[in-house]
Amino acid sequence: GAVVSQHPSWVICKSGTSVKIECRSLDFQATTMFWYRQFPKQSLMLMATSNEGSKATYEQGVEKDKFLINHASLTLSTLTVTSAHPEDSSFYICSARDLGRYNEQFFGPGTRLTVL
Amino acid sequence: AQKVTQAQTEISVVEKEDVTLDCVYETRDTTYYLFWYKQPPSGELVFLIRRNSFDEQNEISGRYSWNFQKSTSSFNFTITASQVVDSAVYFCALMNRDDKIIFGKGTRLHILP
Repeated sequence: GAVVSQHPSWVICKSGTSVKIECRSLDFQATTMFWYRQFPKQSLMLMATSNEGSKATYEQGVEKDKFLINHASLTLSTLTVTSAHPEDSSFYICSARDLGRYNEQFFGPGTRLTVL
Repeated sequence: AQKVTQAQTEISVVEKEDVTLDCVYETRDTTYYLFWYKQPPSGELVFLIRRNSFDEQNEISGRYSWNFQKSTSSFNFTITASQVVDSAVYFCALMNRDDKIIFGKGTRLHILP
């Protein structure tokens, strides 16, 4: 149990296009999901907290208009990188908090985004 | 301030040696959780352990062991009889009551055959 999936696992896009990344909790409900970004050979940095049915809260320095987050159901959160540029190339990882297990978070496998 | 420090950026040891990865944390909360994750080249985070702030018992799982000491705010990780498959980046992390996980910068471990 407690499986989180991400789709796609990798994506290559042209500069200026938008890319949507999905994060799904497959066997549990998640009112809260988190989005992290990891640049090569660096640590994971929290970008935003996604709450089902309400607006996401963004960490300082993260542009909310550039990284659109939608958490429309208890099993799905999406991150859309709008007008992507090469500097947005990164590894994006989500985690989901299990409603039934307080404080347990489970990570997805990550999505590698390359912007040409 | 909430912070996780992994002072060792990169470590190389020969297979079968023991290796300890250091982790020091800072938090104002009295209730918090500490984690260790392994990140192999594939990128997927592999959960290794979670420890809450009220449980200072050391933990052993096979070749892995963890030493949690609140007095020094440390949560060190030891791999005994290391193997090449242990080569990866290891992250120590902290979660406070706001559920946000703060990661250290990671230690890249190379196990040489």
